[in-house]
Amino acid sequence: GAVVSQHPSWVICKSGTSVKIECRSLDFQATTMFWYRQFPKQSLMLMATSNEGSKATYEQGVEKDKFLINHASLTLSTLTVTSAHPEDSSFYICSAQGLAGRNEQFFGPGTRLTVL
Amino acid sequence: AQKVTQAQTEISVVEKEDVTLDCVYETRDTTYYLFWYKQPPSGELVFLIRRNSFDEQNEISGRYSWNFQKSTSSFNFTITASQVVDSAVYFCAGMDSSYKLIFGSGTRLLVRP
Repeated sequence: GAVVSQHPSWVICKSGTSVKIECRSLDFQATTMFWYRQFPKQSLMLMATSNEGSKATYEQGVEKDKFLINHASLTLSTLTVTSAHPEDSSFYICSAQGLAGRNEQFFGPGTRLTVL
Repeated sequence: AQKVTQAQTEISVVEKEDVTLDCVYETRDTTYYLFWYKQPPSGELVFLIRRNSFDEQNEISGRYSWNFQKSTSSFNFTITASQVVDSAVYFCAGMDSSYKLIFGSGTRLLVRP
């Protein structure tokens, strides 16, 4: 149980295009999901907290107009990187908060984005 | 604010050696949770352990063991008789009353045959 999937697992796009990444909780409902970004050989940095049915909360320094987050259902959150540029190339990981408690997060396998 | 420090950037050992990865967590909260994750080259995070701040008992799971000392805010991770498959980046993370998971900078472990 507690499986989180991400789609796509990798994507290559041209500079200026938008890319959507999906995060799904497959066997449980997640009212809260999180989005992290990881640059090569660096740590995971929390970008935003996504709550079902409400606006996402962004961490300081993260552009909300560039990284659009939608959490329309209890099993799906999406991250759209708008007008992507090469510096947005990164590994994006989502996690879903378990129902057992807020201290539990289940991670997706990540999406590797390369912007040419 | 919370802070996770992993002072060891990279460790290299020979197979069968024991290795300890250090982690120091700082927060003003008295209730918090500490985690260890493994990130192999594939990138997918593998959950290893979660501890709450009130449980200072050491834990052992096979070749893995964890030592939590609240007095020094340390939550160290030891791999006994390391194997090549243990090669990965290991992240320590903490979660305080904000319920935000904050990661340390990670320790890259290389186990040589």
